[in-house]
Amino acid sequence: GAVVSQHPSWVICKSGTSVKIECRSLDFQATTMFWYRQFPKQSLMLMATSNEGSKATYEQGVEKDKFLINHASLTLSTLTVTSAHPEDSSFYICSARGRGGPDTQYFGPGTRLTVL
Amino acid sequence: EDQVTQSPEALRLQEGESSSLNCSYTVSGLRGLFWYRQDPGKGPEFLFTLYSAGEEKEKERLKATLTKKESFLHITAPKPEDSATYLCAVRGTSYGKLTFGQGTILTVHP
Repeated sequence: GAVVSQHPSWVICKSGTSVKIECRSLDFQATTMFWYRQFPKQSLMLMATSNEGSKATYEQGVEKDKFLINHASLTLSTLTVTSAHPEDSSFYICSARGRGGPDTQYFGPGTRLTVL
Repeated sequence: EDQVTQSPEALRLQEGESSSLNCSYTVSGLRGLFWYRQDPGKGPEFLFTLYSAGEEKEKERLKATLTKKESFLHITAPKPEDSATYLCAVRGTSYGKLTFGQGTILTVHP
């Protein structure tokens, strides 16, 4: 199956700093990428959808200026959490869907963000 | 609005004890029903996609079926390594995004 990677797998930062998470599709071109957030023992919450070369579409209640998403190429999307605060601590997971063929979304391994 | 409800919330089985997980859904224009497996601290792993009522797919001890209102994930003779959270999701016509259920936590005891 298709492989999606994320980096870093975990990060600890101080309150007020910004953190960038990378998501890459390793063996296919991802026309659409998705960013999710998951709290302990809860399901995935979609934060935003991005198409290569265009601005991300954010879900209701997600702050655009706080969670910056860039989908610069068909294999790379980044999520930057700006001025992070303890309440932003969570498990962030990206997902990618390719062009042509089955429209399955493949997920990355996730990034655990802890803000002190 | 698309909705997905999974049951039970948690399921404990003995090794070899077959059972089924349920995913009930309402969606405008089903474009696909997806099953994923998620281990603790990891991202979801794709299992199956079903597109139309009557469709069935199998992989090892897992078999997924689909009707117009629900999907079942049948687990035959499970092993401890099948323990995980199983997520069901649907894609309707709403901008192509997936709507997830809350998941079923499966624990298989040796």
